[in-house]
Amino acid sequence: NAGVTQTPKFQVLKTGQSMTLQCAQDMNHEYMSWYRQDPGMGLRLIHYSVGAGITDQGEVPNGYNVSRSTTEDFPLRLLSAAPSQTSVYFCASSYSGGAGQPQHFGDGTRLSIL
Amino acid sequence: GQNIDQPTEMTATEGAIVQINCTYQTSGFNGLFWYQQHAGEAPTFLSYNVLDGLEEKGRFSSFLSRSKGYSYLLLKELQMKDSASYLCAVRDPVGGYQKVTFGTGTKLQVIP
Repeated sequence: NAGVTQTPKFQVLKTGQSMTLQCAQDMNHEYMSWYRQDPGMGLRLIHYSVGAGITDQGEVPNGYNVSRSTTEDFPLRLLSAAPSQTSVYFCASSYSGGAGQPQHFGDGTRLSIL
Repeated sequence: GQNIDQPTEMTATEGAIVQINCTYQTSGFNGLFWYQQHAGEAPTFLSYNVLDGLEEKGRFSSFLSRSKGYSYLLLKELQMKDSASYLCAVRDPVGGYQKVTFGTGTKLQVIP
């Protein structure tokens, strides 16, 4: 039972490059989210999805795109990387039935933009 | 808006009890979570409170007062492995989605 799988674990990019952070879950969860975690800022929501084909913006969506073509996958795209996007990115998923369902997090992607 | 406050750092002694507080002001409320996050790792779920009162789970307990916008996480019989950050998070129903807002976390150091 893999849970939430994120790839890559580490990535270094140059300013202006684009890339896609992959996230996959095998728990048949409807809800999926992307967060970034910066020192002193806590986890901040970038984008989220309530099911295949449905996505919406979170607190800090600028510079990022998402899509959800299947229940399992929720990739995050950086369109033109900027140093301000240097962060640790976490993907999370949860079951939609009931507010008490906790989020399950992937191991994170540590991204550095030079 | 959403505002969740936690102390930044705490230190406690192995074997002791520590209480980590969380206060929140959010536009909606549909439950409060506590997560544990060891350095360099992903957050993992500890507890959930939606009604007032104390929820106990082994060495960990979590308390909620909705009228005061206040919660605490109580860790008993502290062990060295409890050194981690503890994240308070509030669930707020937004449309058809249960949006979760996280506090900045409390870094707990357990010393011998």
